[in-house]
Amino acid sequence: DTGVSQDPRHKITKRGQNVTFRCDPISEHNRLYWYRQTLGQGPEFLTYFQNEAQLEKSRLLSDRFSAERPKGSFSTLEIQRTEQGDSAMYLCASSRRQGYQETQYFGPGTRLLVL
Amino acid sequence: AQSVTQPDIHITVSEGASLELRCNYSYGATPYLFWYVQSPGQGLQLLLKYFSGDTLVQGIKGFEAEFKRSQSSFNLRKPSVHWSDAAEYFCAVGAGGTSYGKLTFGQGTILTVHP
Repeated sequence: DTGVSQDPRHKITKRGQNVTFRCDPISEHNRLYWYRQTLGQGPEFLTYFQNEAQLEKSRLLSDRFSAERPKGSFSTLEIQRTEQGDSAMYLCASSRRQGYQETQYFGPGTRLLVL
Repeated sequence: AQSVTQPDIHITVSEGASLELRCNYSYGATPYLFWYVQSPGQGLQLLLKYFSGDTLVQGIKGFEAEFKRSQSSFNLRKPSVHWSDAAEYFCAVGAGGTSYGKLTFGQGTILTVHP
């Protein structure tokens, strides 16, 4: 399997601009997760897709954030009107449930810096 | 709600010494437990996982972890640390049963290895 890929790896933007990140999961993985990691912290769950359906969103995900997974393959995470507090590493993970067991595999992340 | 505590923010060991990283979790049902490792600026790599069965699990790079239900712990160990093990380590708990596998992470433990 090729691993989870994310693009871009780094993004610098000015406050108020919109940004979009892409995640390509491991092929045949039907579940896809987005997490956010700020400096010195562990990743925090943002949202989850099973196939193309977005089944849960964290309260961390404000109205400025939107995620899609058209056709149940790649996913995009868009942040509108970025704020300095959005600066973080955005991690994508994918998985395929086998029975009651599920292991998430992470991509390299997209590091966002909002100036 | 599930939670994870990693009591040690930073640990320093000498190369060749043994290592134990602590992890305590809180979860009302059967937990699924994971250890991931993260090098600076990179994504998360899975070291090992516990779903059920033998409470001592083996992972990659010579790591192992022991699940102790009575202590709500899942400590990571390695008998002899190599300089390349220097990284940040995250313990995570996932929901078992039929729910989806959102992970809750601890704050992480930074491992420094002295030559």
